[in-house]
Amino acid sequence: DAEITQSPRHKITETGRQVTLACHQTWNHNNMFWYRQDLGHGLRLIHYSYGVQDTNKGEVSDGYSVSRSNTEDLPLTLESAASSQTSVYFCASSENRLGGGYTFGSGTRLTVV
Amino acid sequence: AQKVTQAQTEISVVEKEDVTLDCVYETRDTTYYLFWYKQPPSGELVFLIRRNSFDEQNEISGRYSWNFQKSTSSFNFTITASQVVDSAVYFCALNALGSSNTGKLIFGQGTTLQVKP
Repeated sequence: DAEITQSPRHKITETGRQVTLACHQTWNHNNMFWYRQDLGHGLRLIHYSYGVQDTNKGEVSDGYSVSRSNTEDLPLTLESAASSQTSVYFCASSENRLGGGYTFGSGTRLTVV
Repeated sequence: AQKVTQAQTEISVVEKEDVTLDCVYETRDTTYYLFWYKQPPSGELVFLIRRNSFDEQNEISGRYSWNFQKSTSSFNFTITASQVVDSAVYFCALNALGSSNTGKLIFGQGTTLQVKP
């Protein structure tokens, strides 16, 4: 069965370190997204991609970067982790830009100390 | 601008009570989709329903029902005879292309539902 997987599930890192969160999907979806979830804010979009070599900034992109070298993967990098980036991160993919079913990963809980 | 508002931050009910979770959205698009997701304590996001802007029929699925009203830009979710297992965070979300043709999924802030035995 097709799936979307995130790794690691939990991560503790120190302020200032570079961290990469992995997202891998086997749905063959062109569209992939990274969200962060914080209490009181719901899920907010960090970056998204509509295909290989395509990446776009979301509403909370400062301090984050992504790259899309193939259809299956969209890794999220925190260039220099900050305590404000402690959050739960969700990766998602979708078949279409409009109305497509969205599939979410299980989330990565990142703590920056 | 596109926006989803879930004004109820937390709701607490006693088992078997009915409860309605409110969702108000904003978009200038005429074609759009609305979603509800459930996030149980285990943390994953569970898809509940997708509704397109041209289908205003109410939807019922077991104890769950959804009321879509374009006139008030609302897409409310009702749980009938709530159960403890319904305790979760519920998110309403909007998918519309917008002027920039980017079909992002925009979430509301979420409503935490606690169902007490």
